[in-house]
Amino acid sequence: GAVVSQHPSRVICKSGTSVKIECRSLDFQATTMFWYRQFPKQSLMLMATSNEGSKATYEQGVEKDKFLINHASLTLSTLTVTSAHPEDSSFYICSATNRGESSTDTQYFGPGTRLTVL
Amino acid sequence: AQSVTQPDIHITVSEGASLELRCNYSYGATPYLFWYVQSPGQGLQLLLKYFSGDTLVQGIKGFEAEFKRSQSSFNLRKPSVHWSDAAEYFCAVGAKEYGNKLVFGAGTILRVKS
Repeated sequence: GAVVSQHPSRVICKSGTSVKIECRSLDFQATTMFWYRQFPKQSLMLMATSNEGSKATYEQGVEKDKFLINHASLTLSTLTVTSAHPEDSSFYICSATNRGESSTDTQYFGPGTRLTVL
Repeated sequence: AQSVTQPDIHITVSEGASLELRCNYSYGATPYLFWYVQSPGQGLQLLLKYFSGDTLVQGIKGFEAEFKRSQSSFNLRKPSVHWSDAAEYFCAVGAKEYGNKLVFGAGTILRVKS
């Protein structure tokens, strides 16, 4: 149980284009979804937190106009990297907390999406 | 500010040997503590978590961790390491007071030699 999927697993795009990454909770409804970024050989940095039907809350230093987050349902959140540039190349990981758990403090992580911007 | 320290960037152990990965935290609230494991190019898998109660928690794959409030530590242990345990391990801390956002340590890469 508590499986989170991401699509695509890898994407290569040209500089200036936009890329959408999907995060789905497959067997549970997510209270909250989180988006992280992980640079090579580094830890995860939280980018934003989103709740279904609400605007995402972005961490300090994360450009909300560049990283658009939509959380349209209890099982789906999307991250769109707009006008991508090579410095946006990274590993993006989402996580979700399970609405059905008595404690909603455990985050379940997706497998990640490797974005390469040429 | 909240912070999590994993002092060992790399650890190498022999297969069958015991393992301890260290984690220390600095937090302004009652913390929830987690250990996650990440294989190369993969997402994070939850090994175990501590919210309250018994300070020795058991996880998957034979791992356990002990919460020591006096030392602000949550070290991960395994009595006998298997080659398949080679991966990167992350300690993370969260709290309701901070919206359950997690702060991660820098990670410890475990290498297992046969």
